[in-house]
Amino acid sequence: KAGVTQTPRYLIKTRGQQVTLSCSPISGHRSVSWYQQTPGQGLQFLFEYFSETQRNKGNFPGRFSGRQFSNSRSEMNVSTLELGDSALYLCASSPVRASGRSVLYEQYFGPGTRLTVT
Amino acid sequence: GESVGLHLPTLSVQEGDNSIINCAYSNSASDYFIWYKQESGKGPQFIIDIRSNMDKRQGQRVTVLLNKTVKHLSLQIAATQPGDSAVYFCAENMGSGGSNYKLTFGKGTLLTVNP
Repeated sequence: KAGVTQTPRYLIKTRGQQVTLSCSPISGHRSVSWYQQTPGQGLQFLFEYFSETQRNKGNFPGRFSGRQFSNSRSEMNVSTLELGDSALYLCASSPVRASGRSVLYEQYFGPGTRLTVT
Repeated sequence: GESVGLHLPTLSVQEGDNSIINCAYSNSASDYFIWYKQESGKGPQFIIDIRSNMDKRQGQRVTVLLNKTVKHLSLQIAATQPGDSAVYFCAENMGSGGSNYKLTFGKGTLLTVNP
């Protein structure tokens, strides 16, 4: 099975711009989560999508948004970029039980997109 | 490769020794915990998990211990190998249960294995 893929791998943007990152989950995985990783704050949960709906959300401002398509692929958008948004953005996918519960021990991460805001 | 963090706690061990990585978690109501390994340039990789109704779980060469009294989690790696060199994170699930979850990660520990 192919792993989680993220595009692009590297991105440079300037303050005030917006950016869209893409994630393709493992085939059959219906839950997609996004995380931000920085040296100062470590790894932080952004949000999770399931069935094209945002189901869980971390503590990030509304500038961070996402969506999921019917094929489970997901995009994350950051508007009005700030210098502090420079980070590694990780996407992870997991299967979901019939109960709707994500199988977190089968959550697989992609290699990430390195975003630099100048 | 990618730098996953500056100012991380570090642990340096000799090949063949046992390693113990510690983690303090924040929410006494957390019901599920995971240890991840992150190698340079890669995303985190699941190692082992444990539910709050357990205090110990063993995997292949790894053991996780959970002490809910002091909100402490540890990962023990037996016979540490150079390939174990990575940053290790603990994560706690602070969701309300069911389909709700919210993983909160520790800052990570950099493990270096000397041959």
